[in-house]
Amino acid sequence: DAGITQSPRHKVTETGTPVTLRCHQTENHRYMYWYRQDPGHGLRLIHYSYGVKDTDKGEVSDGYSVSRSKTEDFLLTLESATSSQTSVYFCAISEPLSGGEHNNEQFFGPGTRLTVL
Amino acid sequence: AQSVAQPEDQVNVAEGNPLTVKCTYSVSGNPYLFWYVQYPNRGLQFLLKYITGDNLVKGSYGFEAEFNKSQTSFHLKKPSALVSDSALYFCAVSYPSNDYKLSFGAGTTVTVRA
Repeated sequence: DAGITQSPRHKVTETGTPVTLRCHQTENHRYMYWYRQDPGHGLRLIHYSYGVKDTDKGEVSDGYSVSRSKTEDFLLTLESATSSQTSVYFCAISEPLSGGEHNNEQFFGPGTRLTVL
Repeated sequence: AQSVAQPEDQVNVAEGNPLTVKCTYSVSGNPYLFWYVQYPNRGLQFLLKYITGDNLVKGSYGFEAEFNKSQTSFHLKKPSALVSDSALYFCAVSYPSNDYKLSFGAGTTVTVRA
């Protein structure tokens, strides 16, 4: 999976508890992304980062926050987990092509299955 | 707003037969188009992309896709399907004005029977 690890791989938690998911890459790619995968919706972008301490919201960012203090790590935090956040979470990385155009493919981690009871 | 549609939830074919997975997009301008495949309990794997140039793009595992601007389509094809091609396939689109963020279709489950 292209030098990308996610931890934990599985987690069960209770409503109202904070949860942090970690994505670690060894590829030194500039861009990192967090997606959630739900049946019938494909993958939806939660947040992304275009460099250390540079992050931005995706289409389903409510209830989530992120941090990127190092190139290799991108953390996703659910401040107070809800049952609607039960999902499979994927991290992805990409690197802009030379010349700055960012039409390069993304590489995905193995995913974290999160269940909120 | 950019979006991508995969009109078929499931595609079933016999091994050795041609496989087509459909994708249409709705963006203005020149989109960048991608196909990914997901095997059970795995992350997504990149198959191929169209950025510019030849409308027929060849990718991994014998797959190819044809960009058709007039029909706003980017269908994935394989001339002779294998049982091992059974997986979930996603089409995705990005656009420069949206910071190249990917928008994914809902996915198509492909089952190839022996």
